[in-house]
Amino acid sequence: TQLLEQSPQFLSIQEGENLTVYCNSSSVFSSLQWYRQEPGEGPVLLVTVVTGGEVKKLKRLTFQFGDARKDSSLHITAAQPGDTGLYLCAVIMDSNYQLIWGAGTKLIIKP
Amino acid sequence: EAGVTQFPSHSVIEKGQTVTLRCDPISGHDNLYWYRRVMGKEIKFLLHFVKESKQDESGMPNNRFLAERTGGTYSTLKVQPAELEDSGVYFCASSQTLAGWDEQFFGPGTRLTVL
Repeated sequence: TQLLEQSPQFLSIQEGENLTVYCNSSSVFSSLQWYRQEPGEGPVLLVTVVTGGEVKKLKRLTFQFGDARKDSSLHITAAQPGDTGLYLCAVIMDSNYQLIWGAGTKLIIKP
Repeated sequence: EAGVTQFPSHSVIEKGQTVTLRCDPISGHDNLYWYRRVMGKEIKFLLHFVKESKQDESGMPNNRFLAERTGGTYSTLKVQPAELEDSGVYFCASSQTLAGWDEQFFGPGTRLTVL
């Protein structure tokens, strides 16, 4: 059983559309991170959210941490082909700082 | 500044052979992590070095895996003998701070295929 469940697993939409992907768990976390991974590269950190209900914006990307700090969402407005990639959520274990990962959402934005 | 580099980018070997993966962290980063992603599954932690010492190797799957970081610079991960289930992408990451959590910077990964 995965600690972090990401949905959908795969999403293919047209350029200009909006989308939301989710990262859910039954556990409470002190913080949660979102990464983007492109083919042939490693994950790159996009944002860290630490407060329940927190909303962070990164250009057209909006990240929200659930009030109970069990889940998070990533919303992309007016998606562009450059947003194509694998979006991963992860949490930091307080005991040893290792990252626990979701399986990711593979996003394709068609021109 | 150079990022985390990994070598080779791809490796195809037969079951029973030995493979050694190398990771060069960002210069000055004391923390070095190894992770693995098996196809269709999530990325999983393997181990964590602080300088040359193994801080946490709780994620190492079995004794066929040996990681070293002599001199606290680059690290190697050796799989001997390789099994089919070892196939996947092996990522290395490094971070700077010794106290608390610091952003981990990832290398491009080594794709290992065991036939």
